[in-house]
Amino acid sequence: DVKVTQSSRYLVKRTGEKVFLECVQDMDHENMFWYRQDPGLGLRLIYFSYDVKMKEKGDIPEGYSVSREKKERFSLILESASTNQTSMYLCASSLLGGRIEGYTFGSGTRLTVV
Amino acid sequence: QKEVEQNSGPLSVPEGAIASLNCTYSDRGSQSFFWYRQYSGKSPELIMSIYSNGDKEDGRFTAQLNKASQYVSLLIRDSQPSDSATYLCAPRSYNTDKLIFGTGTRLQVFP
Repeated sequence: DVKVTQSSRYLVKRTGEKVFLECVQDMDHENMFWYRQDPGLGLRLIYFSYDVKMKEKGDIPEGYSVSREKKERFSLILESASTNQTSMYLCASSLLGGRIEGYTFGSGTRLTVV
Repeated sequence: QKEVEQNSGPLSVPEGAIASLNCTYSDRGSQSFFWYRQYSGKSPELIMSIYSNGDKEDGRFTAQLNKASQYVSLLIRDSQPSDSATYLCAPRSYNTDKLIFGTGTRLQVFP
């Protein structure tokens, strides 16, 4: 069964810490995405990547950075965690130009910043 | 105007009834449309995709697409309590590989 795996299901971090969220997919997908989801706000795109070492800002990139050194791995970095970054973080992947395929999501990481 | 509009609900239907979930979108160039189901605390799961005008059926689910009206819907026949979830509509942007998600409709199926 193909999968998108997020390294942590629940994470608690302190304000000011540098936080790494890891995502690995085994589907050979070119596209990878990071979203956060908050009640009433829906899914908001943070960053996405169409290829190795390539990244593009989404709708809410402030306070975040990403890294894609290998095709299968896309990391989200919170440079200095703040309480307003407490959220559910979802990673997704898809085929490049795949019009009839949707995204496959990971199981999510619920991050709490205290 | 939001890019993707869905009624937030909750939409409450009795067990065995048909649930009708609606979605309108603003990008006329969208070619593919996806419906995701998301249980509380879980990640979205793809349940249906459609890219031609008309109906597409898969088990108890039917997706309907009308590109001229920029409207897509999901019908769930014989609704079950296990269908209680939030349903996200997501057109694919024409000139990128990104899906544009609505905020979802919460469906409640009561016994």
